[in-house]
Amino acid sequence: GAGVSQTPSNKVTEKGKYVELRCDPISGHTALYWYRQSLGQGPEFLIYFQGTGAADDSGLPNDRFFAVRPEGSVSTLKIQRTERGDSAVYLCASSLQGNSPLHFGNGTRLTVT
Amino acid sequence: GDSVTQMEGPVTLSEEAFLTINCTYTATGYPSLFWYVQYPGEGLQLLLKATKADDKGSNKGFEATYRKETTSFHLEKGSVQVSDSAVYFCALDNQGGKLIFGQGTELSVKP
Repeated sequence: GAGVSQTPSNKVTEKGKYVELRCDPISGHTALYWYRQSLGQGPEFLIYFQGTGAADDSGLPNDRFFAVRPEGSVSTLKIQRTERGDSAVYLCASSLQGNSPLHFGNGTRLTVT
Repeated sequence: GDSVTQMEGPVTLSEEAFLTINCTYTATGYPSLFWYVQYPGEGLQLLLKATKADDKGSNKGFEATYRKETTSFHLEKGSVQVSDSAVYFCALDNQGGKLIFGQGTELSVKP
């Protein structure tokens, strides 16, 4: 069956630009997570949605980062005024409910030049 | 705060060798513990998990036992294969899905 889908798979942008990263979770999964993985590191939690609302956004590094999930399915991670330090792989995961195993997408590799 | 520390890689083994990847954690309460695997070009996949002390998680010949007394969750496999070459991540969950990962250990198995 279809897994978690993330688009684009790669994104190159210039410093200062705005980017949007999309995540399509597994159908029926109510919980959705965003993580960021820098080179040689493990994923770091950014934000967690339960349905349409952000249940925990404590991992967002600053106010340039924002995420939405308006209909409780697809989610978009938005980064304003990108900086070179934002370069990383952004991972999305979904689960049936908050305490179920997470299913990860293949990630979006963001490069800020 | 909660954290996970795993042994540094890369780990290079010959086929059929015994594998241990060490993982220790710091956490309040009673977290669930996980091993995730990332094969080349693929997304993270759950390998195994344990939800309470002394539980043993197992899958595909891999095992890990939740040791509360030593705050450890070491990953073991008796005989590795070339197809096990991947990056392995230890993780804990103390807050309903908000995983905290270790830095990952790359395993390379040579024929």
